[in-house]
Amino acid sequence: EVQVVESGGGLVQPGGSLRLSCAVSGFTFRNYWMTWVRQAPGKGLEWVASIKQDGSEKSSVDSVKGRFTISRDNAENSLYLQMSSLRAEDTAVYYCARVTYTGTHQLDCWGQGTLVTVSS
Amino acid sequence: DIQMTQSPSSLSASVGDRVTITCRASQIMSYFLNWYQQKPGKAPNLLIYATSTLQSGVPSRFSGSGSGADFTLTISSVQPEDSATYYCQQTHSTAHSFGQGTKLEI
Repeated sequence: EVQVVESGGGLVQPGGSLRLSCAVSGFTFRNYWMTWVRQAPGKGLEWVASIKQDGSEKSSVDSVKGRFTISRDNAENSLYLQMSSLRAEDTAVYYCARVTYTGTHQLDCWGQGTLVTVSS
Repeated sequence: DIQMTQSPSSLSASVGDRVTITCRASQIMSYFLNWYQQKPGKAPNLLIYATSTLQSGVPSRFSGSGSGADFTLTISSVQPEDSATYYCQQTHSTAHSFGQGTKLEI
C-alpha cells in the first residue's frame, strides 16, 4: 500500500524556521519526482516546489524562492522542505505528493498534510 | 508563469444534472492539464490527467476535454458524493500552478 506521511508542522514566529518531512512507503521513492503543495486556511491549492528523482533539478514558486529549500534522501525514502524567514502568509496545510510521469506530470498520491502556523 | 482561471467559482446542482467546469490558461499550452477533487478536511484526489485520461478508480461519469488554453471537466450525472471543490492544474511550465477552485454543492 502506498503511504505518504508528512510531519514537522507547528506554530512558529514570523522570521523563524521550520523543516517539514515526508516519509513514503509502498513504492520506489527514487523513481519519482516529488512535490510540495500548500493550502492556506479557507483558500485554494498552491504549488510550492518540486524535485527530480535524483535531486538534480528543483523548482519553486516565486514567493518562496530564497526562503524555502526542497530536498530528498532516497536512502531514507524521505522528502524535506526547509523553510526559513517565515511570514504570516506562509500559514497553510502543507501536502507532500508523488509525481507520476506518463508523458505529463500528475500528482497521484498525497499525504494528509501538516499544518504550519506562522504567528507571534 | 502560467495563470489558471476557473469558472464558475461555485455552483449548485441537483442529483442527475450534467455539470461543466471550465479552466482557462493565460497562454496556449499542450495537453498538460490535470483535474483534482478535494473534499473538506481531506487531501486532493487526482481525477483526470493529460486533459482527458481518467485516473484509475475514478467513476466514468467524470470526463475531461480541451486544447490550447481552454479545458473542461464534465460530470455527466452528478451524484451526492460529488459535492466537493475541483481544481485544475497545469504542468506545461516548470511552475505547476493550480486554478483557484470551483466549489460544487449538490
